[in-house]
Amino acid sequence: QSALTQPPSASGSFGQSVTIACTGTSSDVGRYNYVSWYQQDPGKAPKLMIYEVSKRPSGVPDRFSGSKSGNTASLTVSGLQAEDEAYYYCSSYAGSNILVFGGGTKVTVL
Amino acid sequence: EVQLVESGGGLVNPGGSLRLSCATSGFTFARAWMIWVRQAPGKGLEWVGRTKSTGGDIDYAAPVKGRFTISRDDSENTLFLQMDSLKTEDTAVYYCTRGYRDSSGSYHGDDAFDIWGQGTTVIVSS
Repeated sequence: QSALTQPPSASGSFGQSVTIACTGTSSDVGRYNYVSWYQQDPGKAPKLMIYEVSKRPSGVPDRFSGSKSGNTASLTVSGLQAEDEAYYYCSSYAGSNILVFGGGTKVTVL
Repeated sequence: EVQLVESGGGLVNPGGSLRLSCATSGFTFARAWMIWVRQAPGKGLEWVGRTKSTGGDIDYAAPVKGRFTISRDDSENTLFLQMDSLKTEDTAVYYCTRGYRDSSGSYHGDDAFDIWGQGTTVIVSS
């Protein structure tokens, strides 16, 4: 099972928005509504930000939103804050009890 | 406080073995789906494998299947990862994590992980 494809980097100005794409195939992202997004600061453990494509766990700001179209899922961070600067990883259930992650995107707040 | 603490990492020769532990507290471990995820230096996250709650299935990623074994001791609230026939490409930080249970009570042991340990580093090198 191949990893999902994410751009290595993305940036947005303070207070503006940034959207990160996560491209899979019809066997993972396209088939299942089980896409999650994680935020990771360097040297720290990941934090769950989005699950089931667009749902936010308790405590995650509503500035974070997720969506999906076909084989591509997206994470949008609105009203960018300095603390949003981090690496973001998508993941998708791929059937047969297997999960795949994306390669990660470094988000920079300008 | 919900907590996961990994231990057991270290330096090992190729072909060697290592056993990682993940001590948990603050939740009902026996009901939890537990997962191992690794991250090679400077790389992204990689799902290693998952155990459902007690008595349930255990599944592995293709690169580790047949070499790694996940087990759990519900009496000690601890998850294990036995790693045999280690390869240099197994070098990574290994995280244990818990399958998320959402507000409606649905488990997401196969797709979303809410609590993570701090990770333990495994270096496979001669």
